[in-house]
Amino acid sequence: NAGVTQTPKFQVLKTGQSMTLQCAQDMNHEYMSWYRQDPGMGLRLIHYSVGAGITDQGEVPNGYNVSRSTTEDFPLRLLSAAPSQTSVYFCASRDRGAGELFFGEGSRLTVL
Amino acid sequence: AQSVTQLDSQVPVFEEAPVELRCNYSSSVSVYLFWYVQYPNQGLQLLLKYLSGSTLVKGINGFEAEFNKSQTSFHLRKPSVHISDTAEYFCAVSHFGANAGKSTFGDGTTLTVKP
Repeated sequence: NAGVTQTPKFQVLKTGQSMTLQCAQDMNHEYMSWYRQDPGMGLRLIHYSVGAGITDQGEVPNGYNVSRSTTEDFPLRLLSAAPSQTSVYFCASRDRGAGELFFGEGSRLTVL
Repeated sequence: AQSVTQLDSQVPVFEEAPVELRCNYSSSVSVYLFWYVQYPNQGLQLLLKYLSGSTLVKGINGFEAEFNKSQTSFHLRKPSVHISDTAEYFCAVSHFGANAGKSTFGDGTTLTVKP
């Protein structure tokens, strides 16, 4: 089982550039979410989705867009990268019940 | 709003000693409780979870946690740690109902096991 797959694993951007972090899961989970991890700050929720066509903002949504056209995919778009978006990004999914989150391996983004 | 507080940012301990990582949460509604572990340069994986029932839950690698509703705590314990337990540990709550898609994490506790 692939589980949750994130690409790319590493990316370097210049300020102002845009890019998309890809996330796909093969467990038929309804819920998907994006977190960013910064030192000493745990994981902060950026956006989440409770099903195809439904997305909502989390704690730190500014500068990011998401869409959920299929159950499997939940891409995260950086519209105009800023140095403050340098972070490690994790995609996660879980089923509708009381299940735990399943995480991807993370994407390390550096914005110069 | 829900919040999770991990009371210790770093916990150094010697091999074979017991350890407790403390977690308090605040929520106006019922939540599910989790502990995740993150090894260097990896994603998070589940250690254990509390959904309902017995307040003492056992997880992988010999870890256990006790849910205390009156103190809103979910502390993680292991009676004897190994070098391989060195990692970052996160306490988390998952919501249901109107906020079912969300999970809230603590800031993490770095456990360092010394020989």
